[in-house]
Amino acid sequence: SAVISQKPSRDICQRGTSLTIQCQVDSQVTMMFWYRQQPGQSLTLIATANQGSEATYESGFVIDKFPISRPNLTFSTLTVSNMSPEDSSIYLCSVSEETQYFGPGTRLLVL
Amino acid sequence: GENVEQHPSTLSVQEGDSAVIKCTYSDSASNYFPWYKQELGKRPQLIIDIRSNVGEKKDQRIAVTLNKTAKHFSLHITETQPEDSAVYFCAASGVGGFKTIFGAGTRLFVKA
Repeated sequence: SAVISQKPSRDICQRGTSLTIQCQVDSQVTMMFWYRQQPGQSLTLIATANQGSEATYESGFVIDKFPISRPNLTFSTLTVSNMSPEDSSIYLCSVSEETQYFGPGTRLLVL
Repeated sequence: GENVEQHPSTLSVQEGDSAVIKCTYSDSASNYFPWYKQELGKRPQLIIDIRSNVGEKKDQRIAVTLNKTAKHFSLHITETQPEDSAVYFCAASGVGGFKTIFGAGTRLFVKA
């Protein structure tokens, strides 16, 4: 299975600021995804990170708020822009080939 | 849009008993159905999955059944142990795990 790492593992941020989360995979993968998991809730897909093109966003998520980069087949970043307390959540990177695996998550608290 | 419903939201069983979690999905094109276990503060971990060309799959104490006609699938855990206590998520997706949709989760408590 793919080994996925994320940085930072957690952060506390002030409202109005932005945070960029990094996701690194130990092998080349075609499909990379970003999910959000709010406290006590299920996983919600934010977007599919496409290598060499713009990310594909799900309903309710927009590029201005969650810009995503995918410069190669092993790396992606998600930025949470102009943060508010409602953005406090766990953000998970995920990769999928035959099966889907998740990174350890980034726990974000916005004050 | 695509939807996955999961029941129950909470399940409490005595150690050694069986636990069953049920899910239904709306997208008839879904053909891959994974189950994840998430312990507190940890990432979801794949515990078993099933593809649409089979009706049942078993791995030690865990089994999953799939009824494509009815669009529902279930997780069965036998001889439950306290370490089975966690949140379990079902999910449905197309080929290659594209656009996986997750159920709301079931919080399983196994009482010793």
